[in-house]
Amino acid sequence: QQQVKQSPQSLIVQKGGISIINCAYENTAFDYFPWYQQFPGKGPALLIAIRPDVSEKKEGRFTISFNKSAKQFSLHIMDSQPGDSATYFCAASRFGNSGYALNFGKGTSLLVTP
Amino acid sequence: DAGVTQSPTHLIKTRGQQVTLRCSPISGHKSVSWYQQVLGQGPQFIFQYYEKEERGRGNFPDRFSARQFPNYSSELNVNALLLGDSALYLCASSLDRQIYNSPLHFGNGTRLTVT
Repeated sequence: QQQVKQSPQSLIVQKGGISIINCAYENTAFDYFPWYQQFPGKGPALLIAIRPDVSEKKEGRFTISFNKSAKQFSLHIMDSQPGDSATYFCAASRFGNSGYALNFGKGTSLLVTP
Repeated sequence: DAGVTQSPTHLIKTRGQQVTLRCSPISGHKSVSWYQQVLGQGPQFIFQYYEKEERGRGNFPDRFSARQFPNYSSELNVNALLLGDSALYLCASSLDRQIYNSPLHFGNGTRLTVT
């Protein structure tokens, strides 16, 4: 079953606007929450990641907001640019004795219009 | 520095055949993971290898196997191919098993088509 649920499936934002993508998880053992960006024909690239001991992390125009009690986290892209048009994946992981596995959401296709 | 390299980039196989996909990690990275990405979906974890030992396995049938070599490169093998195995197979490397300080770096994948 899908361990991480992501919404919306697609998103259209005007240049300069804010893009918001949401994810929810069930497994409270997850302790690492990254966001990946994927362009067509390329592998996913890490954008930003957060651990549950903080509620927000910002890197440039990208911000993760984390709500541990609600088991939700979101990606905010400020001042969205056409070059941000890509598919975004949230993921969650738990480090165990057998290493770790990233559990990905289904992705959000973002289109930033000029 | 070269990123994660995968070969071949594209592959077409027939049902029932076997396939081997190859991955070279970033220099110095000791952990290699494999993911399957079906069109329109997020990647699904298949295996993680660290120091040539299997450290994690996802929910995939025994037709899927992998190994890691002394130089940390890796191969993914899939036997008795099914149409449903058609996907982008992604390899990712990291410095070690601990994801917090050594995030995954993905290659551009091998696109496998099973006819």
